[in-house]
Amino acid sequence: QVQLQESGPGLVKPSETLSLTCAVSGYSISSDYYWGWIRQPPGKGLEWIGTIYHTGSTFYNPSLKSRVTISVDTSKNHFSLKLSSVTAADTAVYYCARETGVVYGRFADYWGQGTLVTVSS
Amino acid sequence: DIVMTQSPDSLAVSLGERATINCKSSQSVLYSSNNKNYLTWYQQKPGQPPKVLIYWASTRESGVPDRFSGSGSGTDFTLTISSLQAEDVAVYYCQQYYSTPPGYTFGQGTKLEIK
Repeated sequence: QVQLQESGPGLVKPSETLSLTCAVSGYSISSDYYWGWIRQPPGKGLEWIGTIYHTGSTFYNPSLKSRVTISVDTSKNHFSLKLSSVTAADTAVYYCARETGVVYGRFADYWGQGTLVTVSS
Repeated sequence: DIVMTQSPDSLAVSLGERATINCKSSQSVLYSSNNKNYLTWYQQKPGQPPKVLIYWASTRESGVPDRFSGSGSGTDFTLTISSLQAEDVAVYYCQQYYSTPPGYTFGQGTKLEIK
């Protein structure tokens, strides 16, 4: 069974960099699939942040692209998110997810439980 | 940017009755290469991550009850729950994939409650 678990600081100061890691178990990241980050501000809807393919190719939401970096560490079977210059608007539950191939429409079939990151001084 | 608009924003339906949620895309999500609509429906219950219900606009994910069905093509799509159960109370999202540049967007969500 594929499982994903987010980890990282729950509180980040404005203007600093948010860093999260998603540990994957039950599947080898280097085998296949896309691996993505999605966020959800409290009481609001879902926003795709970006995705990394198992080959290392990355795809980012144009509205966040200048601040986002997603990387993968296949030796640890995890992938990571960095979001720079954060503001209060970046306060959200951050989810990591496995995404299907393009032929299926790149939907997220496995999700982590999510981690709340609050941006505040 | 492709915009996904769901309607209504919230919906209250009696137990056992039909619930219908609509999703409209600002551009077609039908890919001529394989004649598939890259439109996915998710269900999100409080405190949980979203769960896939339907992909390719009308294909149920494994394990999803058959009271859930999806329809539509191109820019207009519908999620139907044929006979509402108490456990179906949730927020429902549609999501579309676009290829240029590669990525995806979600609708704003529809909150479904029991009347």
